[in-house]
Amino acid sequence: DIQMSQSPSSLSASVGDRVTITCRASESIYNYLNWYQQKPGHAPRLLMYVASHLQSGVPSRFGGSGSGTDFTLTISSVQPEDFATYYCQQSYRTPVTFGQGTRLEIK
Amino acid sequence: QVQLVQSGAEVKKPGASVKVSCKASGYTFTSYYIYWFRQAPGQGLEWMGLINPSGGDTFYAQKFQGQAGVSLTMDTSTSTVYMELRSLRSEDTALYYCARGVELAGRTSNFDSWGQGTLVTVSS
Repeated sequence: DIQMSQSPSSLSASVGDRVTITCRASESIYNYLNWYQQKPGHAPRLLMYVASHLQSGVPSRFGGSGSGTDFTLTISSVQPEDFATYYCQQSYRTPVTFGQGTRLEIK
Repeated sequence: QVQLVQSGAEVKKPGASVKVSCKASGYTFTSYYIYWFRQAPGQGLEWMGLINPSGGDTFYAQKFQGQAGVSLTMDTSTSTVYMELRSLRSEDTALYYCARGVELAGRTSNFDSWGQGTLVTVSS
């Protein structure tokens, strides 16, 4: 199985900060990488697909980049509603696998 | 709009089975695969299996294959997919989610709509 690892596992930020989360795959997944946001008590929400494509309805302050094994999710100016846990997920090979999550907390 | 609505929370004893439903609406049911995931308390997401509503083909993660594993079925007349998990153990206590798989370039790319989750608690 392809292993996905995220860093950091948690981070604190203030409203308005620029935040970057990193995801690394255990082998090349080309650009078959998606990002999800999950708030407590809610299902995951798709943010980005194929590494850099913004899902419909997601604010443009979210951005994604990377290819191969290294990817990033950036929030250009964190808003109060962005405090949540973020997961990366590869769809290059079955089984699909997720990173362990990055918890974004209010500083 | 696209919706996946799951059945309510369940409490089961070890060794029992549980069956969770996922009712789809707002799109053509047979056009998208349905995937199942679970999330143990405080943990990440784990893929369990998938079903192709166009024909009923299924595919399971290795961990969930076999008699003590998971079985996915569907009812196209009600656009509902069912996930049955057998021989429950305490480690199966988790939130169970169904999700719609979106295809790009001939392969499932991402999961754009999710059910609200069903909490299954296994306790004696």
